[in-house]
Amino acid sequence: RKEVEQDPGPFNVPEGATVAFNCTYSNSASQSFFWYRQDCRKEPKLLMSVYSSGNEDGRFTAQLNRASQYISLLIRDSKLSDSATYLCVVNGPSNTGKLIFGQGTTLQVKP
Amino acid sequence: EAGVTQSPTHLIKTRGQQATLRCSPISGHTSVYWYQQALGLGLQFLLWYDEGEERNRGNFPPRFSGRQFPNYSSELNVNALELEDSALYLCASSYRRNQPQHFGDGTRLSIL
Repeated sequence: RKEVEQDPGPFNVPEGATVAFNCTYSNSASQSFFWYRQDCRKEPKLLMSVYSSGNEDGRFTAQLNRASQYISLLIRDSKLSDSATYLCVVNGPSNTGKLIFGQGTTLQVKP
Repeated sequence: EAGVTQSPTHLIKTRGQQATLRCSPISGHTSVYWYQQALGLGLQFLLWYDEGEERNRGNFPPRFSGRQFPNYSSELNVNALELEDSALYLCASSYRRNQPQHFGDGTRLSIL
């Protein structure tokens, strides 16, 4: 079983649509959770951290369910510029420093 | 505030040669991380340096090594290059462990 699993997609949606991505992680001891965005052949960029209480940043909402080891990202009112790969990221075992990246979910927003 | 900077942008080598990649973290960040992203694959953790010490390494052979300097910049060295070392090498920095990591643009290493 992969440490972080995501549906690779692609998700093809029209502009203005709402789209949701899900992710599961295997290590129940994980403490830090993030969503990163990666454009083709570019570096990952931090989109948002994910907190237990859920958090929102403009059109983006992230949720964490520790009991189910499940993370979600909701994008409302999709823009063409949202087209990218979204990476679910979890910190590795304590004191390893590493982040564990999912394979990413590809989003393509169409006009 | 300047982000994480990496050099060179591209590096072309042949099998058996050695490569050196460089990274400067965001000012104030003491932790530096290296990742490898081969074409079509996810990011794989390589190395973590904090306060000048190697704190952890991923599942890579010993010919992947590095160091962190007193100014917190870092170097990744890859010896005896093999074709499968062709990848995008990304450096990231964070203020503390388990804090969000911020990535540089990467060095694209091509082995001919």
